[in-house]
Amino acid sequence: GENVEQHPSTLSVQEGDSAVIKCTYSDSASNYFPWYKQELGKGPQLIIDIRSNVGEKKDQRIAVTLNKTAKHFSLHITETQPEDSAVYFCAASTYNNNDMRFGAGTRLTVKP
Amino acid sequence: EPEVTQTPSHQVTQMGQEVILRCVPISNHLYFYWYRQILGQKVEFLVSFYNNEISEKSEIFDDQFSVERPDGSNFTLKIRSTKLEDSAMYFCASSFETGFNQPQHFGDGTRLSIL
Repeated sequence: GENVEQHPSTLSVQEGDSAVIKCTYSDSASNYFPWYKQELGKGPQLIIDIRSNVGEKKDQRIAVTLNKTAKHFSLHITETQPEDSAVYFCAASTYNNNDMRFGAGTRLTVKP
Repeated sequence: EPEVTQTPSHQVTQMGQEVILRCVPISNHLYFYWYRQILGQKVEFLVSFYNNEISEKSEIFDDQFSVERPDGSNFTLKIRSTKLEDSAMYFCASSFETGFNQPQHFGDGTRLSIL
C-alpha cells in the first residue's frame, strides 16, 4: 500500500520568512495530493491540493509543487505569520480517493 | 460554510464496552470516511463508505469495527468491544464525490479514552 514520508517533523521560522515542508510517496498510482492544517483541538482542514496533471499550484501565500517522476511534493508558505503555526499534514491517494494516506505531520512554529 | 459535525467531543468508556461515535456529514456529500489519530501520531485511514456500503477499509478496520448510515443524515462508527489501544481521536470526513479526487472535509473529531 501507499507510504507517505514527511519532513521535517518540526520547523521553526521567524515571522516573514518562508517555510517548506516536503513529502515523498511510494505508490506511483497516487494522483491526488492534499495538504491539511491541523490546529490544536481541531480536525484537519484542507488548505491546498494538487492533482497529478499539474506540477505546481499557488493560492496567495501557499504553493504546492509536485514531481511525479521523483514521487515527491512540497508545501511552500511565504511571508509566514504567527497564525500559520499549526501541524501540517501531507497526504496521497489514488483516483478513487478511498484510501488516503497521511504523512506523519510537521509542527510549524512561526515566531513573532 | 457547511461543516462536518461529530458527537460527542470526548467519550470515556470502560475496556470491553461498546462505543458508537456519531457524525453528521455535509448534507450534499455522498462519500463518508472515518480516520483515527493516536496521540502524537499520523492520521490513519480506517474506512470509506458510499451508497450504503463499505468501499474500502484498512487493516486497522477489523471485525470489531462497523459503520452505518442509519438515516439520511448520520454516519456512525461502532467499536464492539473496546481495547485500551483504541484510545485515539476519531475523525469523520465527507466528500461530494470521489471521481477525480474531490476534497475531503473533516470534522473536529471525537476523543475516545478507554479505561
